[in-house]
Amino acid sequence: DIVMTQTPLSSPVTLGQPASISCRSSQSLVHSDGNTYLSWLQQRPGQPPRLLIYKISNRFSGVPDRFSGSGAGTDFTLKISRVEAEDVGVYYCMQATQFRYTFGQGTKLEIK
Amino acid sequence: EVQLVESGGGLVQPGGSLRLSCAASGFTFSSYSMNWVRQAPGKGLEWVSYISSSSSTIYYADSVKGRFTISRDNAKNSLYLQMNSLRAEDTAVYYCARMILGYYYMDVWGKGTTVTVSS
Repeated sequence: DIVMTQTPLSSPVTLGQPASISCRSSQSLVHSDGNTYLSWLQQRPGQPPRLLIYKISNRFSGVPDRFSGSGAGTDFTLKISRVEAEDVGVYYCMQATQFRYTFGQGTKLEIK
Repeated sequence: EVQLVESGGGLVQPGGSLRLSCAASGFTFSSYSMNWVRQAPGKGLEWVSYISSSSSTIYYADSVKGRFTISRDNAKNSLYLQMNSLRAEDTAVYYCARMILGYYYMDVWGKGTTVTVSS
């Protein structure tokens, strides 16, 4: 199985400041069709996960443009340009390039 | 409104069985692949199982293979997870999530149903 490793596991951030989360896969996430099926999800406290980003850098419908994704191959990053109070929660990267799908351990974003 | 609603969770003894359901509404269920994802208390997300729109392709995590069975009834807009030989480590919130064929992302999630395996 592909192992997804996120860093940091915890990220205290000041409101209005940027935040960045890294996700590294144990092997390339480039699918045989040429696409890279890396997505990012947000889970607010007490809520189910919510899709933020798909195929590395595509923002899902309704996701604020302060969220952006980048990367290639085995290294990926989620950035929040200016953290807002509603961004508190746990962020997961997920690969769907290869069965079995796997998630990163999660990064807890909290406000300083 | 696009919605997924899980049900069927509860308290069950080790070795017991449980059948989870996921009712879909607001979209053409038969056009989407579906997944079960679980989250143990205080832990991260773990993918459990996948079923294609026509049920022709099914996958399981190693941790549940041989014990869990995923199925769907497109006429009833419903997804199921039959869980047998349950263990304490199966205790989790179980979410169903839809996936568009060819896009490989989970865009709609249910609120989850809680399964507790304990004597």
